[in-house]
Amino acid sequence: NAGVTQTPKFQVLKTGQSMTLQCAQDMNHEYMSWYRQDPGMGLRLIHYSVGAGITDQGEVPNGYNVSRSTTEDFPLRLLSAAPSQTSVYFCASSPGTSGGYSYEQYFGPGTRLTVT
Amino acid sequence: SQQGEEDPQALSIQEGENATMNCSYKTSINNLQWYRQNSGRGLVHLILIRSNEREKHSGRLRVTLDTSKKSSSLLITASRAADTASYFCATRDNYGQNFVFGPGTRLSVLP
Repeated sequence: NAGVTQTPKFQVLKTGQSMTLQCAQDMNHEYMSWYRQDPGMGLRLIHYSVGAGITDQGEVPNGYNVSRSTTEDFPLRLLSAAPSQTSVYFCASSPGTSGGYSYEQYFGPGTRLTVT
Repeated sequence: SQQGEEDPQALSIQEGENATMNCSYKTSINNLQWYRQNSGRGLVHLILIRSNEREKHSGRLRVTLDTSKKSSSLLITASRAADTASYFCATRDNYGQNFVFGPGTRLSVLP
């Protein structure tokens, strides 16, 4: 299994440009999520999905869109990049919850995004 | 809003010493998880402790949970240079579907 893969690893955008960060997992996990990590802030949840066709907002969703057309893929779209979106983005997947038990999350290697 | 808060923010120790990190959280939880992040990499799950457990071991890791104080600690015994990383606690409360991570503890193990 490749686990959770993310592309690209690095990206530089100009203000106002749009782009899509790709995330894929091959573990048949129902739950997928996107986080951003900024220095001293830990990870903040952007959007998440509990299954194909179902997405919801996290703590910091503004400026980002997601879709989940398949179990495997969960792309994150930046609609109009701003310098405040300079960050490291992580995708994660998990079997989700079962009977109230929360399973561990598996993280991708991250995408380092700079917006100038 | 952050549920878990680790302390200290940074910790430097010599190889062979023990490292203790603490996590405090705010609401009731189903379980608490600890993750490690090496520089420039994604997070890796270390250990999960359920709300009805008080202590759990995994190799050189020992995790305790005190739900009355809403706190957890992670002890790494006989530390190695390879343990140098940031450590995060994550909680998911009984009413939510998502994990909330603290800002992390940066551990440096000096040879």
